[in-house]
Amino acid sequence: GQQLNQSPQSMFIQEGEDVSMNCTSSSIFNTWLWYKQDPGEGPVLLIALYKAGELTSNGRLTAQFGITRKDSFLNISASIPSDVGIYFCAGHGLNNDMRFGAGTRLTVKP
Amino acid sequence: KAGVTQTPRYLIKTRGQQVTLSCSPISGHRSVSWYQQTPGQGLQFLFEYFSETQRNKGNFPGRFSGRQFSNSRSEMNVSTLELGDSALYLCASSPRGFEETQYFGPGTRLLVL
Repeated sequence: GQQLNQSPQSMFIQEGEDVSMNCTSSSIFNTWLWYKQDPGEGPVLLIALYKAGELTSNGRLTAQFGITRKDSFLNISASIPSDVGIYFCAGHGLNNDMRFGAGTRLTVKP
Repeated sequence: KAGVTQTPRYLIKTRGQQVTLSCSPISGHRSVSWYQQTPGQGLQFLFEYFSETQRNKGNFPGRFSGRQFSNSRSEMNVSTLELGDSALYLCASSPRGFEETQYFGPGTRLLVL
């Protein structure tokens, strides 16, 4: 099925730097979700967004639901080594179908 | 509270066989969703069960089916396995629906030879 467009595919950053990744869709979404997956484990929900324009924080993580309802971004501030992993965006379309981005692989150098 | 558990963790099958995967949700969660994860296609939604009824369905062929029991435990079945069915199968549970906070299990890694 149609997936979300997530970018960048990978990032290599220095510890302490800020990170930004985003997801876009050609159709409107009712929710936007951001997950993190560590090797050998299932994804863990980081932030859920339910309303256009909504800006939500979870510790060093901040995510926003785009005004057009077709995009979302996730920012991580002051990255630390344990931020390493794959970050996925996901969303529920108008038919309640759930789509995922391909993931952003984050590497943090100490 | 125990997390979502999935059994088995690893499975090897051959083409044409069928397979059944099991998922036990977090106690009190009534919604169980299933996902397929592959390097090429990423995470794809299979279906969601709530109170023993399939409530939402992704775009997968009829070879993929599931069910949910009265204790909310769920099983997923794939019949006539194809090589392309090799993937990590994840289940997730939430109290009332997959639009809520979902808690994922560790997954079952299926290899079809």
